[in-house]
Amino acid sequence: ETGVTQSPTHLIKTRGQQVTLRCSSQSGHNTVSWYQQALGQGPQFIFQYYREEENGRGNFPPRFSGLQFPNYSSELNVNALELDDSALYLCASSFGTDTQYFGPGTRLTVL
Amino acid sequence: GENVEQHPSTLSVQEGDSAVIKCTYSDSASNYFPWYKQELGKRPQLIIDIRSNVGEKKDQRIAVTLNKTAKHFSLHITETQPEDSAVYFCAASDNNNDMRFGAGTRLTVKP
Repeated sequence: ETGVTQSPTHLIKTRGQQVTLRCSSQSGHNTVSWYQQALGQGPQFIFQYYREEENGRGNFPPRFSGLQFPNYSSELNVNALELDDSALYLCASSFGTDTQYFGPGTRLTVL
Repeated sequence: GENVEQHPSTLSVQEGDSAVIKCTYSDSASNYFPWYKQELGKRPQLIIDIRSNVGEKKDQRIAVTLNKTAKHFSLHITETQPEDSAVYFCAASDNNNDMRFGAGTRLTVKP
């Protein structure tokens, strides 16, 4: 298993609420990427953080936002939750452009 | 942006046979092509990756080939075993940023 951890494991929210997901990167890694994986689909790139700055963003609306902290851990925030936001949220850490290693994911259910 | 297509969506083989999964990509700037294996309820795990300056890479029973001119790359698994059963994802990116995944191939290895 990788050294990437995520919390919480599962989360249930209602439409319109806000949620914060957390990711601790593997030791020595300075880059965190976030993905949304709907059931039966491949991961979809949300954004990447490198040394506390956003370093690329996929086709997700501004209500998806993030942070990276000086210890390279990261948060994903989603505002105004919609039913379609129900998915597995994965983070992956890497050292710069090296291989990405995934965390176990947070399963978000929006009711 | 990058678009990755993956075929087949399902693949069933007999134990000991070979399995081949193919992916095509659209962005000629892509230079990093990893393959991930995801078992049910678990995180994607890197099984092999290749960069654009190499045409082929092998690791025991697993090999990946890359044809940059045709913009396609393939995963080859030889001497398949039941524990190879999982969903396999290909991905493509430019320097490991904005990684785009294929839709996945569900591989079943029958004993």
